[in-house]
Amino acid sequence: AQKITQTQPGMFVQEKEAVTLDCTYDTSDQSYGLFWYKQPSSGEMIFLIYQGSYDEQNATEGRYSLNFQKARKSANLVISASQLGDSAMYFCAMREGYGTNAGKSTFGDGTTLTVKP
Amino acid sequence: DAGITQSPRYKITETGRQVTLMCHQTWSHSYMFWYRQDLGHGLRLIYYSAAADITDKGEVPDGYVVSRSKTENFPLTLESATRSQTSVYFCASSESSGANYEQYFGPGTRLTVT
Repeated sequence: AQKITQTQPGMFVQEKEAVTLDCTYDTSDQSYGLFWYKQPSSGEMIFLIYQGSYDEQNATEGRYSLNFQKARKSANLVISASQLGDSAMYFCAMREGYGTNAGKSTFGDGTTLTVKP
Repeated sequence: DAGITQSPRYKITETGRQVTLMCHQTWSHSYMFWYRQDLGHGLRLIYYSAAADITDKGEVPDGYVVSRSKTENFPLTLESATRSQTSVYFCASSESSGANYEQYFGPGTRLTVT
């Protein structure tokens, strides 16, 4: 069964510094995708970044990068140069591509990030 | 409006009443999903649909019913609402089941059962 673990319920970071949000996953599938979403206090789910299980390079999207370590089954989100607007809850999610779970996503419980001025 | 919309955005109902949450998407995406998000937690899959007239259970389907007669609509019905169903409900859609396809989320419906 799919499982996503986010071990940091809350994190603090100083403005302009980098922060890493941890995510580990468990799956027996070879084909899967890993996603990070941001949920600000307004409640909407905002897609940030995607990493495919066969991608050899870490994904990057602007200030977001995904530190993908396949052997360790980890997919940590790195936010560089934090901004006050980055304060939000962040969710790691995994989607399997084949088999009975194809198309379904599993979400972690999230990490609340607070950026301090 | 383009995208994925949910209605109502806020709903208060009483225990035992039937409630239907609506979801509409304009992209003609094959896949649609219903999640619930309880306070301080992540999203849990209730039901999903691979196409019109094809639905399947997710992680927490008990107490919910779905239908999908048209590709663009995926209503979620609580047949007899209970307090434990107080939650924020998100609808999502995806072009395909592939692992690399992003899910697009609606704005959510905050449901309170008294």
